[in-house]
Amino acid sequence: KAGVTQTPRYLIKTRGQQVTLSCSPISGHRSVSWYQQTPGQGLQFLFEYFSETQRNKGNFPGRFSGRQFSNSRSEMNVSTLELGDSALYLCASSQGQGGVPGELFFGEGSRLTVL
Amino acid sequence: AQSVTQPDIHITVSEGASLELRCNYSYGATPYLFWYVQSPGQGLQLLLKYFSGDTLVQGIKGFEAEFKRSQSSFNLRKPSVHWSDAAEYFCAVGVRSNDYKLSFGAGTTVTVRA
Repeated sequence: KAGVTQTPRYLIKTRGQQVTLSCSPISGHRSVSWYQQTPGQGLQFLFEYFSETQRNKGNFPGRFSGRQFSNSRSEMNVSTLELGDSALYLCASSQGQGGVPGELFFGEGSRLTVL
Repeated sequence: AQSVTQPDIHITVSEGASLELRCNYSYGATPYLFWYVQSPGQGLQLLLKYFSGDTLVQGIKGFEAEFKRSQSSFNLRKPSVHWSDAAEYFCAVGVRSNDYKLSFGAGTTVTVRA
């Protein structure tokens, strides 16, 4: 069974640009969560999608958005990039319903560098 | 809101020695508790979880953790560490009413010396 796939793995952007990151969950998983990981703030929850609906949202500005498609694949977008957005963005999938609550399966992440 | 504290930022242990990583949580009810491990350049892998029942839980790679309600702790242990255990370890808490959002501790980096 393939794991969680995130693309791209690495990317470099400049301030003011926007970026889109993609996540393909484990087959059969309907929940996709996104986390931002930085040395200073650690792992912070961005949002969670289930069946194409945002079910939970963290405390991030509106520049951070996401969506989920009918095949459960998810994308997150960050607009008007700031230096502080440099981070490892982790996607995690779970069954989302009827499965083990909170058992997340993580991808390897997309490392974003903003110059 | 729930929160997680990992008091130790960095721990160095000799190969073959025992390891204990501390985790304290703050939450009014019994939460879901997890330990994840992250190797350099990798995502997070679930080591073990506690939901209810037996307070001593066994995980993968020879790890175990004990839930102590009176101390609001969920410490991770391994009797004998291997060089491959060098990684960063995260304790996480989930809320029963909001199952798919986890709050993570700051992490503990484990260095294993020969």
